[in-house]
Amino acid sequence: AQSVTQLGSHVSVSEGALVLLRCNYSSSVPPYLFWYVQYPNQGLQLLLKYTSAATLVKGINGFEAEFKKSETSFHLTKPSAHMSDAAEYFCAVSDNPPDKLIFGTGTRLQVFP
Amino acid sequence: GAVVSQHPSWVICKSGTSVKIECRSLDFQATTMFWYRQFPKQSLMLMATSNEGSKATYEQGVEKDKFLINHASLTLSTLTVTSAHPEDSSFYICSARGGLAGVGTQYFGPGTRLLVL
Repeated sequence: AQSVTQLGSHVSVSEGALVLLRCNYSSSVPPYLFWYVQYPNQGLQLLLKYTSAATLVKGINGFEAEFKKSETSFHLTKPSAHMSDAAEYFCAVSDNPPDKLIFGTGTRLQVFP
Repeated sequence: GAVVSQHPSWVICKSGTSVKIECRSLDFQATTMFWYRQFPKQSLMLMATSNEGSKATYEQGVEKDKFLINHASLTLSTLTVTSAHPEDSSFYICSARGGLAGVGTQYFGPGTRLLVL
């Protein structure tokens, strides 16, 4: 069965610092992987996705993630945090061909001035 | 592109009434729509998957007679919470997936907050 583990329910960084949000997956087949962001009282917005093309995926708002099969990881990074990045981030996995999404428990990112 | 809307964004109702939530894909045809429930500070819980023109597939533990899902067209799905009770109060989010909107990608609506008094 597929699963997603997000290490760290809360991450705090200073404005301008590196953002690293961790995601490890378990899947019996090459997966599709996604990162979504959720701002308070809103739905989810797609940041980026991996669908078996390039292993380094660039997304919106300066975020990127690297698919590492050997580590079963898909960590999300951003070189320099902005105050507006403060939100809840969800990693999700889906089968290939795509089926339903399995979400991680989420990581709340706080950005301090 | 790939915009999904939900209506209403907020609803407050009395216990025992039914509430209908609409989910629309605005600029693509959604062959599949999903309904999620999210409790405060928690992840999304998939309730059901619906394909246009067929019956929804409910996840284990979700009462299909309680949460009626209709996916009558390629751009509209509805979730009806029947005889709502306070424990049904939650944030309900839909998502839509369609071929031209990106392979395998689900696009999410802004959510509907339901409060049952």
